[in-house]
Amino acid sequence: QQQVKQSPQSLIVQKGGISIINCAYENTAFDYFPWYQQFPGKGPALLIAIRPDVSEKKEGRFTISFNKSAKQFSLHIMDSQPGDSATYFCAASGTSGSRLTFGEGTQLTVNP
Amino acid sequence: GAGVSQSPRYKVAKRGQDVALRCDPISGHVSLFWYQQALGQGPEFLTYFQNEAQLDKSGLPSDRFFAERPEGSVSTLKIQRTQQEDSAVYLCASSFSRSNQPQHFGDGTRLSIL
Repeated sequence: QQQVKQSPQSLIVQKGGISIINCAYENTAFDYFPWYQQFPGKGPALLIAIRPDVSEKKEGRFTISFNKSAKQFSLHIMDSQPGDSATYFCAASGTSGSRLTFGEGTQLTVNP
Repeated sequence: GAGVSQSPRYKVAKRGQDVALRCDPISGHVSLFWYQQALGQGPEFLTYFQNEAQLDKSGLPSDRFFAERPEGSVSTLKIQRTQQEDSAVYLCASSFSRSNQPQHFGDGTRLSIL
């Protein structure tokens, strides 16, 4: 079964700190790795995505690091703000179809 | 519209009733996906359409679940003879094309089966 494993389940960070969320996958056919942010009562919103031909992608305060050999990727949120408090999901999909396989989610709390 | 629109936002039904959930994708988006999100979990794939063709329905949990997109735009997810385990948020997503393009999600329909 295709799986994406995400950790930690919950994370508490002080304002201005760095939030780091990790994901690992099994299926080597995956070639698209997005991160989504979800607020209560809302649908997931795409934050940033990476393909395996690069090892890092940065957009503003959000950075994805990708390690193809280890089949791992991570999200770094720099200068974390209370408004970043949400649930974050990593996901993956492959060329055989566009269905996304999601991780279990990380509930991030950024304290003022 | 500007985003994916889902209706109703909330639906309460008694066990055994049939329900229909609607999704209006972003205009021009070819691909449409349905996901089921249980409380505290990540979304799980149900089914996928490219235009009006249902290309993948492998995630539908039982034959009580049925989805259609007859004109290649609006889609309806129907659940017959609902059970308590069907209680979840049902999310719809659309993307511009088939191959790994960003999927944009609606805010979902929260279904509660009593």
